[in-house]
Amino acid sequence: EPEVTQTPSHQVTQMGQEVILRCVPISNHLYFYWYRQILGQKVEFLVSFYNNEISEKSEIFDDQFSVERPDGSNFTLKIRSTKLEDSAMYFCAPSLGGGYNYGYTFGSGTRLTVV
Amino acid sequence: RKEVEQDPGPFNVPEGATVAFNCTYSNSASQSFFWYRQDCRKEPKLLMSVYSSGNEDGRFTAQLNRASQYISLLIRDSKLSDSATYLCVVTSFNDYKLSFGAGTTVTVRA
Repeated sequence: EPEVTQTPSHQVTQMGQEVILRCVPISNHLYFYWYRQILGQKVEFLVSFYNNEISEKSEIFDDQFSVERPDGSNFTLKIRSTKLEDSAMYFCAPSLGGGYNYGYTFGSGTRLTVV
Repeated sequence: RKEVEQDPGPFNVPEGATVAFNCTYSNSASQSFFWYRQDCRKEPKLLMSVYSSGNEDGRFTAQLNRASQYISLLIRDSKLSDSATYLCVVTSFNDYKLSFGAGTTVTVRA
């Protein structure tokens, strides 16, 4: 049973639409990470978030993407105008510490399909 | 050169066999190393960390060779349930993100 719940588990959206992916950690995590995995490809880092700020982002994380922790608990990834190439599994990974020494527990993921 | 490279396999082995595979990394400043396991269309799950002295967890043994910049995973007495993709993961000391290899697929047959 993962410690982290991600919703929705699967979302189908039309190109150009906005989607919001949610991550609900159970414990008081301080660090949050989003990764994505295009089908058949490796897991790729998108963004890290600490203390209500982005601490690092990858080249993938362009202006179409944003992250928030709107209510101090949920952690969201928003894609403003989806493209076909955004179709992927998106994984949230909260961490109590910096995470790089301990490894992460990933959420169960959201499968995003853009049509 | 890719940051983390793995032999994609697949490694197709009978139950009870031993299977081993490696992963190489390009950044000599890499600090922490992990093996994750991923089942089809599921999230990666942490299998084990890899320490400089090498470490064992049941049937799984991980080794790190900093000089040659590779890590290895050995699975003894393979079970059907070991069938999965094994992901090599590397991080740097001052870097919070994980860098993943593309994975090595292992299939254990009855």
